[in-house]
Amino acid sequence: GENVEQHPSTLSVQEGDSAVIKCTYSDSASNYFPWYKQELGKGPQLIIDIRSNVGEKKDQRIAVTLNKTAKHFSLHITETQPEDSAVYFCAASPWGAQKLVFGQGTRLTINP
Amino acid sequence: DTAVSQTPKYLVTQMGNDKSIKCEQNLGHDTMYWYKQDSKKFLKIMFSYNNKELIINETVPNRFSPKSPDKAHLNLHINSLELGDSAVYFCASSQTGTGDLGELFFGEGSRLTVL
Repeated sequence: GENVEQHPSTLSVQEGDSAVIKCTYSDSASNYFPWYKQELGKGPQLIIDIRSNVGEKKDQRIAVTLNKTAKHFSLHITETQPEDSAVYFCAASPWGAQKLVFGQGTRLTINP
Repeated sequence: DTAVSQTPKYLVTQMGNDKSIKCEQNLGHDTMYWYKQDSKKFLKIMFSYNNKELIINETVPNRFSPKSPDKAHLNLHINSLELGDSAVYFCASSQTGTGDLGELFFGEGSRLTVL
């Protein structure tokens, strides 16, 4: 089955700097790669996603890149703000599997 | 209006007891899930139901029994609770297309503590 590895497990950056979180997946049949943000005491919430027919997607300060050949994808957050502090999860879904397999999560801390 | 709501939010109980967590979604989605988040924040799927039918059971012990009375509800009953069952349980829903998974909407979680 699908296995998703996420790095780093913790990341601390200065406000205004960029943050990058990386994930690799094992199943070449995976075609959907979302990123979720989980704030303290809340459920995960989708922030951006990408499908395998696209190499990059951007939404304001957030971007995701996908390298299907290398089976890895990354989340890029620019001009970080204190409210970006949270746990971020990458995930992958093989076509037709109807489920998400999550990475281990990255605790991002933005220092003022 | 809360899209995915689950109750209770907190549950503290003794080993060996039986407990239930309820989940309801008002998004009109056809698929509902239970995910377990352990103390290290790892999120793992347990069950998935599509239109009241079980489609995913990720080798969860038989002590866990999901029930979906209709496509808007997915409840989780746990028998003979063990210490290792302590976790946060998340309910989620999505609208699934043919082969393609859509966005999952999560509830706020139910924190279960087994003493």
